[in-house]
Amino acid sequence: DTGVSQDPRHKITKRGQNVTFRCDPISEHNRLYWYRQTLGQGPEFLTYFQNEAQLEKSRLLSDRFSAERPKGSFSTLEIQRTEQGDSAMYLCASSSPRRLLTGELFFGEGSRLTVL
Amino acid sequence: QKEVEQNSGPLSVPEGAIASLNCTYSDRGSQSFFWYRQYSGKSPELIMFIYSNGDKEDGRFTAQLNKASQYVSLLIRDSQPSDSATYLCAARLGSSNTGKLIFGQGTTLQVKP
Repeated sequence: DTGVSQDPRHKITKRGQNVTFRCDPISEHNRLYWYRQTLGQGPEFLTYFQNEAQLEKSRLLSDRFSAERPKGSFSTLEIQRTEQGDSAMYLCASSSPRRLLTGELFFGEGSRLTVL
Repeated sequence: QKEVEQNSGPLSVPEGAIASLNCTYSDRGSQSFFWYRQYSGKSPELIMFIYSNGDKEDGRFTAQLNKASQYVSLLIRDSQPSDSATYLCAARLGSSNTGKLIFGQGTTLQVKP
C-alpha cells in the first residue's frame, strides 16, 4: 500500500495557461475524489468517480475544469485558461470498496497551484 | 448556513490538558462523521470516524456524536505539542457510504509546552 500519489507537487503557471494534475489512488480503491483547498479553509469538493464513472461534480466548478478517470485507475484534473483565483492546493483522495460502512477518504499530499 | 461548521480558533491549551474541538452540521440525514488532522502545508490525515450516537475512544482521542443536536466533538487527552495542527470535521451527507465528504473550515489547535 503505497498511498495516494499526486503529481506534480507544485506548479507555477501564468494566467491563461492550461494545467493538468494527476492522481494515482491506493490500489484497489475504486472511488476517487478531487478537492480544492485554499488557505484557512477546509477542503472543498470538486468531483468524484466510482471506477471510471464520474458520479458527481460540484455546481461551483466552472466549465474550465475537467476531470477524467479513463480506465478506473489514475485520474487527471485539467484546468483550462487558469485564473489567479485558481491558486490553491488540489487534493486527491480515494476510498476502498471494502470499507462499506464508513467509506473514509485517504488523501494524497496534494498539488499546489500558483497562478501568476 | 454552512453544511459543516467549526470555530476556526485558534484554540490554545497547555501541554497535558484536554483539548475539546466542536463541530455542528446542518443535514439531519447525515450518517457518518470524520475527524482529520492537518499539519501546516500537509494533507489531511484521518484520525477517527464515528457513525453511532455516543462516544468512540481511540487512544488519547475520543469522538462524540449527538445526532439529535447535530453535534460532533473531538476530545484530545494529555495534549502534546505535536498535536498542534488544524483539525477538520467532515460529514457524509445522506445514508450513502460512497458520496462526498463535506468539510468544515477547521479549528487550529495550539498546545503550549
